[in-house]
Amino acid sequence: DTGVSQDPRHKITKRGQNVTFRCDPISEHNRLYWYRQTLGQGPEFLTYFQNEAQLEKSRLLSDRFSAERPKGSFSTLEIQRTEQGDSAMYLCASSRTSGGARSTDTQYFGPGTRLTVL
Amino acid sequence: AQSVAQPEDQVNVAEGNPLTVKCTYSVSGNPYLFWYVQYPNRGLQFLLKYITGDNLVKGSYGFEAEFNKSQTSFHLKKPSALVSDSALYFCAVRTNYGGSQGNLIFGKGTKLSVKP
Repeated sequence: DTGVSQDPRHKITKRGQNVTFRCDPISEHNRLYWYRQTLGQGPEFLTYFQNEAQLEKSRLLSDRFSAERPKGSFSTLEIQRTEQGDSAMYLCASSRTSGGARSTDTQYFGPGTRLTVL
Repeated sequence: AQSVAQPEDQVNVAEGNPLTVKCTYSVSGNPYLFWYVQYPNRGLQFLLKYITGDNLVKGSYGFEAEFNKSQTSFHLKKPSALVSDSALYFCAVRTNYGGSQGNLIFGKGTKLSVKP
């Protein structure tokens, strides 16, 4: 049973550069979530997909952030013109859901990508 | 607005003693509640969840949690702590109303330290 995988595990970049992270969910999971976690805080929701459709975006997701899930399998999160405030752990989670607000599916998390912006 | 509070930044317990990690929540409607554990430089691991039914929920690694609707609490418990339980614990509530369908709102986390 393969869990959620994320690549890379660590990324160091200079301010102003673009970075892209990849998440591979658990096979056959139709929902995929992105969260951001800063030191001393719990994860904060960024966005999520059901299959290839991006259904919700947090106000935390500025216009420098973009996420895709083109074929309903893996997802990418791109940050353009990185800022030092973007330094955080970016977590991906996936779940299998029957859909709707009454869904009780459990989200399973990947190991995260730690981004450091110098 | 929905929220989760973990009032203790750190909990210290001696190995073999019972442990409790506290969580209170504020939601509209029926709460869907979760506990996750995070080891250093790792992602979150699911421990247990409460959706409906029995107020005492049993989960992984001997952990359990008690849902208390009147106190809006969902405390995590274990009868006998192990040194290997030392980690960061997060309580979360799932959004389940309006236009939002399923993202989790997390507390700030509680660091559990179990001493031999």
